[in-house]
Amino acid sequence: DIQMTQSPSTLSASVGDRVTITCRASQSISSWLAWYQQKPGKAPKLLIYKASSLESGVPSRFSGSGSGTEFTLTISSLQPDDFATYYCQQYNSFWTFGQGTKVEIK
Amino acid sequence: QVQLVESGGGVVQPGRSLRLSCAASGFTFSSYGMHWVRQAPGKGLEWVAVIWYDGSNKYYADSVKGRFTISRDNSKNTLYLQMNSLRAEDTAVYYCARARITMIVANAFDIWGQGTMVTVSS
Repeated sequence: DIQMTQSPSTLSASVGDRVTITCRASQSISSWLAWYQQKPGKAPKLLIYKASSLESGVPSRFSGSGSGTEFTLTISSLQPDDFATYYCQQYNSFWTFGQGTKVEIK
Repeated sequence: QVQLVESGGGVVQPGRSLRLSCAASGFTFSSYGMHWVRQAPGKGLEWVAVIWYDGSNKYYADSVKGRFTISRDNSKNTLYLQMNSLRAEDTAVYYCARARITMIVANAFDIWGQGTMVTVSS
């Protein structure tokens, strides 16, 4: 089974900050990685697929990069609506989520 | 609009059964692979099961294998999850989700339902 590890688990930031979340896979997953945003009591929302492709309707301040085993999600300028929990997911071999990164207000 | 709506959750005793449903609308349901994902209270996301667009293949997480069965009725645009021998650790919000590309199951999940809560407790 492929394990996904995100860091950090919690991130404190201010509006306007550049934020980076890292996701590591226990083995190579090529570029078969997605990022999701989840707000309390809501379903996850797809942000990025295939490591760096922006889902339709998602603001361009979100970007993804990486391949193989190391990936990043970057928010170029954090907005009030971005305070949420973010999950990575591999879909190279079945489907596995990272444990999540909570982005909270500093 | 494109929508998934789950139903069937509730409180059930350990060892009993429950069937969840996920009604799809706004897209050609029979062209998409479908998944169930769950989230225990205060915890992260856990993939549960997948079914191919035509129902020809099904796979499960080890944690539910042999107890849960995923199925679909393309004539009714509905996905199901039959959950047997329920345990306390199955307590979670259960989401249905759509694979992002038609016919290709190995993909991200682009449409999610609102979730239905399942509580397993005596």
